[in-house]
Amino acid sequence: NAGVTQTPKFRVLKTGQSMTLLCAQDMNHEYMYWYRQDPGMGLRLIHYSVGEGTTAKGEVPDGYNVSRLKKQNFLLGLESAAPSQTSVYFCASSPPFIVGTPSSYEQYFGPGTRLTVT
Amino acid sequence: GEDVEQSLFLSVREGDSSVINCTYTDSSSTYLYWYKQEPGAGLQLLTYIFSNMDMKQDQRLTVLLNKKDKHLSLRIADTQTGDSAIYFCAESPDSSYKLIFGSGTRLLVRP
Repeated sequence: NAGVTQTPKFRVLKTGQSMTLLCAQDMNHEYMYWYRQDPGMGLRLIHYSVGEGTTAKGEVPDGYNVSRLKKQNFLLGLESAAPSQTSVYFCASSPPFIVGTPSSYEQYFGPGTRLTVT
Repeated sequence: GEDVEQSLFLSVREGDSSVINCTYTDSSSTYLYWYKQEPGAGLQLLTYIFSNMDMKQDQRLTVLLNKKDKHLSLRIADTQTGDSAIYFCAESPDSSYKLIFGSGTRLLVRP
């Protein structure tokens, strides 16, 4: 199993350009997440999905859109990149959520995408 | 609102014990977690503790939970250079699948 993979690993954009980050998981997980990591701020949830065809906003959704057309893929789009979106982006997935079951709370992370917007 | 706080940096000598501290705000969190991030990699679950436990030991790792003070700590015994990483504390508010992460503590192990 490859686990959670992210494409690309690095990207440099100019202000106003658009791009899509791809996340793929081969663990048949229902739940998928996009986070951004900024120095001294930990991880902040951008958007998440609880199943194919569904998405929801997280803590910092502005400037991003997402789609989950297939269960194994979760795409993060930036329509018009801004320097404030310079960050490291992590995708994660987790198994079906069962209250009180420890293993269903564990999130599996991809290696990250380092994005710089100039 | 939910908030998880950690100190930013800890430096220890190889062979010593490391203690990383965390405070959280949501008393309804069922589980509390420690994740480890090695350089250039994503986060990996290290250990977790159920909220009705005071302590959990797993080889060199000891997790202590003080629910009254909403304080969580991770002790690493006999710290090795391979333990150098960023350690994140996380809670699951309202016992949901969403996690709230702290800002991370960078552990540096000196030879």
